[in-house]
Amino acid sequence: DIQMTQSPSSLSASVGGRVTITCRASQNIIKYLNWYQQKPGEAPKLLIYAASSLQSGVPSRFSGSGSGTDFTLTISSLQPEDFASYHCQQSYSTPWTFGQGTKVEI
Amino acid sequence: QVQLHESGPGLVKPSQTLSLTCTVSGGSISSGDYFWSWIRQHPGKGLEWIGYISYTEGTYYNPSLKSRVTMSLDTSKSQFSLRLSSVTVADTAVYYCAKGEAFASSWYVFDSWGQGTLVTVSS
Repeated sequence: DIQMTQSPSSLSASVGGRVTITCRASQNIIKYLNWYQQKPGEAPKLLIYAASSLQSGVPSRFSGSGSGTDFTLTISSLQPEDFASYHCQQSYSTPWTFGQGTKVEI
Repeated sequence: QVQLHESGPGLVKPSQTLSLTCTVSGGSISSGDYFWSWIRQHPGKGLEWIGYISYTEGTYYNPSLKSRVTMSLDTSKSQFSLRLSSVTVADTAVYYCAKGEAFASSWYVFDSWGQGTLVTVSS
């Protein structure tokens, strides 16, 4: 199985600040990397697919980059509704696997 | 917009079988474009993909759970189901059903999710 490792596990940030979350795959997954946002008590929501493509309806302050084994999710100007957990997921090979999540707190 | 809703017992005894159903609305469960998945999240932990069932592609189960998992599809009710046998306390988790789809025929994503249901394994 491909192992996905996110860092940091949690971070503190302020409204209007810039946030960067890293996801590392245990092998080359090209650009088969998705990002999800999960608010407490809710299901995950797809933000970005194919490493850098924004899902329809997702604000442009979210962006993704990377290829191969190293990927990043950036929130350019953090809004109050962005305080949540973020999960990366590889779709390069089954079983599809997720990172352990990163919690963004105030 | 496809909507999904999980249902089933919230409490299961050790060694018994966990059974959950996901009801789909707003989309065709018999579309070959979709991979109907189950995903779970242990308390305070990350997400674990259990597997999928597709009307045209059949099933795929995560090898870590394969010996205990069965998924099925009921097109007449627009439902798909999960059965997980011989459960232990380690199977206590929130279970989500989700619609998987291959964007541009290549990029597999989970783009619609149910709200999740907590299943506790306890005697």
